[in-house]
Amino acid sequence: SQELEQSPQSLIVQEGKNLTINCTSSKTLYGLYWYKQKYGEGLIFLMMLQKGGEEKSHEKITAKLDEKKQQSSLHITASQPSHAGIYLCGADLSGGYQKVTFGTGTKLQVIP
Amino acid sequence: NAGVTQTPKFRVLKTGQSMTLLCAQDMNHEYMYWYRQDPGMGLRLIHYSVGEGTTAKGEVPDGYNVSRLKKQNFLLGLESAAPSQTSVYFCASRGLAGTKGEQFFGPGTRLTVL
Repeated sequence: SQELEQSPQSLIVQEGKNLTINCTSSKTLYGLYWYKQKYGEGLIFLMMLQKGGEEKSHEKITAKLDEKKQQSSLHITASQPSHAGIYLCGADLSGGYQKVTFGTGTKLQVIP
Repeated sequence: NAGVTQTPKFRVLKTGQSMTLLCAQDMNHEYMYWYRQDPGMGLRLIHYSVGEGTTAKGEVPDGYNVSRLKKQNFLLGLESAAPSQTSVYFCASRGLAGTKGEQFFGPGTRLTVL
């Protein structure tokens, strides 16, 4: 079973629409990372959350970590074709900050 | 400043052949990682290193070996390749400064084992 569940697995939205991707764990998320991957390329860091209730924004992307530190959401406002790609959440599930467990990813397509 | 580089970018092997993937980083990072990415499975950690001369097993270490003889390089070896090792392999590094910080990823190596 996957320790870090992402939903949905894939998403097709029309340009300009808002969308949300979720990342859930049964364990405490000591550090939660969001990455974006374009097809055939490496991962690009978006943001990191550590504290329960924390929220960060970068351009039109906002990520939140819930108070219990077991779920994070990534919200994109007014989506653009440049937002298309695979979004992965990763988390330190042990508190040692040595390794990160990744979710299965969410594939986002934005239709002009 | 190249960041994290991986060699080669593509490779096709026959079952039973061996090969080594090279990862190099020029950021003086302590931590280095090897992942594999398969459809529907996300990224899975193969092996990692917390410093020069150290290695540790990750989630899926079987069939792979690693070495970190120099701080800037992390090698992933396949001694006897199997079709199940067909995958995209990513290397990543992370510094100690801001120990809870991001990992920097290489562009990936696409490996096919026939």
